[in-house]
Amino acid sequence: DAGVIQSPRHEVTEMGQEVTLRCKPISGHNSLFWYRQTMMRGLELLIYFNNNVPIDDSGMPEDRFSAKMPNASFSTLKIQPSEPRDSAVYFCASRTGNQETQYFGPGTRLLVL
Amino acid sequence: AQSVAQPEDQVNVAEGNPLTVKCTYSVSGNPYLFWYVQYPNRGLQFLLKYITGDNLVKGSYGFEAEFNKSQTSFHLKKPSALVSDSALYFCAVRVTTSGTYKYIFGTGTRLKVLA
Repeated sequence: DAGVIQSPRHEVTEMGQEVTLRCKPISGHNSLFWYRQTMMRGLELLIYFNNNVPIDDSGMPEDRFSAKMPNASFSTLKIQPSEPRDSAVYFCASRTGNQETQYFGPGTRLLVL
Repeated sequence: AQSVAQPEDQVNVAEGNPLTVKCTYSVSGNPYLFWYVQYPNRGLQFLLKYITGDNLVKGSYGFEAEFNKSQTSFHLKKPSALVSDSALYFCAVRVTTSGTYKYIFGTGTRLKVLA
């Protein structure tokens, strides 16, 4: 099993640019989570999906952030326009419906200049 | 408010000594509790969980955790620390809000095992 796959692993962009982060969950997992990790705020849940449907997006910082899950094997997190304070490591995690364990991807390290 | 707390930013322990990483929680209802470990430049890895049953839970890499309902704690322990255990450890709790649930992670505790 390849595990949760995230791309890109690193992203450097300029303020104002659009950023798209991608995630492929483990096959058969029906829940997907997007987290953001910073030194100041620790690990924060941004949004999660069950069966491709967004369940709780209360952690999404503002309208500049959006997430989609068009099918069971792919999700995107988009930031438009990006700002320097969005610099963080963004993790995707997935789990099956009858298991509580989340499996995390390697993360995308985003730097907005 | 439902929450999880890790009171120590860093724990230092000598190799071979027992280690404890502390976690306390505040949730309504029965808690689902987890420990994850993060190595540098990696995602979080699951260590162990408590949902129900025996208060002492055994997990990966020789770690265990004890659920203590009266003290609302779920401390992570290992009888003999290894240098390779040095990493960032997160306690997490599943909370239920308005019929849905989500996971709240603690701020993390950096464990440093000294040779």
